[in-house]
Parts: sequence; C-alpha cells; structure tokens
Amino acid sequence: KAGVTQTPRYLIKTRGQQVTLSCSPISGHRSVSWYQQTPGQGLQFLFEYFSETQRNKGNFPGRFSGRQFSNSRSEMNVSTLELGDSALYLCASSPEGRYGSPLHFGNGTRLTVT
Amino acid sequence: EDQVTQSPEALRLQEGESSSLNCSYTVSGLRGLFWYRQDPGKGPEFLFTLYSAGEEKEKERLKATLTKKESFLHITAPKPEDSATYLCAVNGNAGNMLTFGGGTRLMVKP
Repeated sequence: KAGVTQTPRYLIKTRGQQVTLSCSPISGHRSVSWYQQTPGQGLQFLFEYFSETQRNKGNFPGRFSGRQFSNSRSEMNVSTLELGDSALYLCASSPEGRYGSPLHFGNGTRLTVT
Repeated sequence: EDQVTQSPEALRLQEGESSSLNCSYTVSGLRGLFWYRQDPGKGPEFLFTLYSAGEEKEKERLKATLTKKESFLHITAPKPEDSATYLCAVNGNAGNMLTFGGGTRLMVKP
C-alpha cells in the first residue's frame, strides 16, 4: 500500500506570497491532519479534516487554511507568508480518525520563506 | 491543556549499550500515547500505541511501557541504525489531535 504522499517536497517563497501544499492520504483513509514542525516549537497541530469537513483546528492564525476533497485528498494554504512560516509541513492520515488511532505521516513539504 | 515532556534531549550510546528514553505527560482523558521514530528529512514513522497504565509493547530492540504519568522507551543492545529522533505524543480529549514532546535525539556509535 502506498504511504502518504506530499507535494512538492521543497518550496521557496517570498514574504507576502501565498502557497498551497498538497497531500494524498493512504488509500481508504478518510481523516487527514496537518502539522507544522520547526526546531523551536517542535510538531504543532494545524487542523484535521474528515469527510470534507474540518473537525478540529489548532492555534494558528487565519492565514493558515485547508480543505479536503471528496477523494480524501487535502490541500493547505498559507497566505501572506511571513519568515516565521518557514517549516516542515507534515500531513498525516488515519482510516476513520477515531480518537486514539495512530496517524501515518508523509515525508513533508519543506517551506522556506525569504 | 495537554503537555508532553521528553528527556533527555539527546543521548549518545555505544553499540550494545542499553538505555531508556522518558516521556512525561499530563492529559485530560488519555485516549492513546504514541511513540514515533523520525529520521532526518523524513516524516515520523509510527512505532507503538499504548492505551492504559501497565501496558507494554515490543518491537525488535524496542519496548514501550506506560504508567499514569509517564512512558518509557527501552532500547536493548542498540545498533547504529537505531540512531534517530524518537517522538512521544498523546491524544487527549481535544479531538483527534496529537500533542507532541520535543523528542529525544539518539545517536548510537559503532
């Protein structure tokens, strides 16, 4: 079974621009979550989608948004990029998104904002 | 608010030298405690889920245990390929989100 696929692997953007990251979950998985990983803050939860609905949202500004499509694929968007948005963005999926079920992560998109 | 603290931040071992990594947590209603391994440039790889105090899980040289306040990841006779960052996370009452600790960077020298 193919794992979680994230594209692109690397991105370089300029302050003020916007960016869209893509995630294809493991086949059959309906829950998709997004996390931001930085050296200073570690892994932090952004949001979770299930059946095209956002079920949970972390403590990030409204510049961070996401969506999920009917085939469970997900995208996240960051508008008006700031230098502090430079991070590894990780997508994770699980079959039903039940509490206590493990998440399976992709290898991430490394975003650099200059 | 759920909190997870891992110690030590970094650990250097000689090949074959067993040790333990610690994960202390506070959570309202533990739904699961997770251990992940992360290699440089890659996403976290799932290792174990523990659900209740007293539970233990094993996989090759790794063994995870759980009490009401902490979890340990025991590494027996480690090899250089065990070198990685080990992450601990909890799922509490706040939906399906995981709260992660800062990780322990393990380096095993041959």
